[in-house]
Amino acid sequence: DQQVKQNSPSLSVQEGRISILNCDYTNSMFDYFLWYKKYPAEGPTFLISISSIKDKNEDGRFTVFLNKSAKHLSLHIVPSQPGDSAVYFCAAIRRSGGGADGLTFGKGTHLIIQP
Amino acid sequence: ETGVTQSPTHLIKTRGQQVTLRCSSQSGHNTVSWYQQALGQGPQFIFQYYREEENGRGNFPPRFSGLQFPNYSSELNVNALELDDSALYLCASSLGTTKNIQYFGAGTRLSVL
Repeated sequence: DQQVKQNSPSLSVQEGRISILNCDYTNSMFDYFLWYKKYPAEGPTFLISISSIKDKNEDGRFTVFLNKSAKHLSLHIVPSQPGDSAVYFCAAIRRSGGGADGLTFGKGTHLIIQP
Repeated sequence: ETGVTQSPTHLIKTRGQQVTLRCSSQSGHNTVSWYQQALGQGPQFIFQYYREEENGRGNFPPRFSGLQFPNYSSELNVNALELDDSALYLCASSLGTTKNIQYFGAGTRLSVL
């Protein structure tokens, strides 16, 4: 049972336009969400995160939106650049618990920026 | 500042063998987590080590075990290898347990034949 779902395996966007990557989760205990970016032959690189007490977090060209009632988050990249072509993973974690649950990841979305 | 490093980068083993993968955490980080990423899937949490003790574990059998050393580096050991253990094994370090961002190494690609 997948607790974090990224339903688009791939997404193609023209350079300069907005890229929107989506993620849904089912576990209401998750209270912290992260996006990682992964190039081939490299490990995932942390991009941006958001706490469940917020609905938006912005960092340069990257903005993450969280809709708790819909259990949905999205990553917006504006404007999209060729170097943004990579696999993007959505991840979630329950920070408020006493133990270490680890990050729960989606399957990833391969973003391709077309020149 | 040194990032997370993993060794070896690639490894080929046969079914039933044992394997040890190594990870050096980022400078100043005291927590190490291990993940398994099968082809076409997202990383799956194996376990986490904090202060040399296992601090949390995902849904993996006991033949997956680990160690953390006083310098915060870590090992992942897998006994009685199965074909399905073929995957990319990722190590991530952080300062503290669940409270902070995890930073990943490039991984070890394990192939079990």
